[in-house]
Amino acid sequence: KQEVTQIPAALSVPEGENLVLNCSFTDSAIYNLQWFRQDPGKGLTSLLLIQSSQREQTSGRLNASLDKSSGRSTLYIAASQPGDSATYLCAVRQDPGDKLVFGAGTILRVKS
Amino acid sequence: GAGVSQSPRYKVAKRGQDVALRCDPISGHVSLFWYQQALGQGPEFLTYFQNEAQLDKSGLPSDRFFAERPEGSVSTLKIQRTQQEDSAVYLCASSFGQGRYEQYFGPGTRLTVT
Repeated sequence: KQEVTQIPAALSVPEGENLVLNCSFTDSAIYNLQWFRQDPGKGLTSLLLIQSSQREQTSGRLNASLDKSSGRSTLYIAASQPGDSATYLCAVRQDPGDKLVFGAGTILRVKS
Repeated sequence: GAGVSQSPRYKVAKRGQDVALRCDPISGHVSLFWYQQALGQGPEFLTYFQNEAQLDKSGLPSDRFFAERPEGSVSTLKIQRTQQEDSAVYLCASSFGQGRYEQYFGPGTRLTVT
C-alpha cells in the first residue's frame, strides 16, 4: 500500500529565506507527482506536476524535483514571502489505479 | 474556462439525515474523483469514475456512501444516515484522462454533522 510522508509537519521562516519541503513515498509505481497549495478553508491549487519520467519542474520561485527510484521529491521555494503561507501537500498518482495518494502536508508560515 | 465546481459549499446535517453533494467537472474531462479530507489531514481517496463507469470504490468508508455519474458528466456523492464521523471536507477532482494527466480540484463541500 502506497504511503506518502511529508517532512517537516510545520515550518516557520522569516521573509526572504529559501526553503525546502520534503516528500517521500514507498511505492515507485507512479504516473506522476503533484505539489498542491491549500489555504485555510479553501480547495487545492496545483503548483507543479512532475511526470514519472521527469527529474524536475519549475514555475517562478518554485522548483520541484523527483527521484522516483528512491521515492523522494522536494519542493524548493526561493525568496519566501508572507503570501506563501499555506499548507503544502504532495500527492502521487498511482500506476495502475489512477487515484492520488496524499501526504498529510507541511504547514508553512512566512513571517514579515 | 470554468474549473471544477461543487455545491453546496457548506452543509450542516443532523445525525441520521441523508445528504447529496454535487460535482460539476471541467467540460470534456472523462475522469472524476471524490476525496474526503478530515481536519488537519491530507485528502483520502473515496471513488473514481471513467465516464459513467465507477472503476474504483474501494475508498468508500461504508455502505452508507454512494456515488453516481449517470451521464458521464455531473457526479453526486450521497451519504445516507449521516454520522458525526462523516464530518469532513469532500473534494471532487477531474482529469482529461487516465495516467499522466493532471487532476484539477473543486473548492470542496464542508459537511458538518451535528
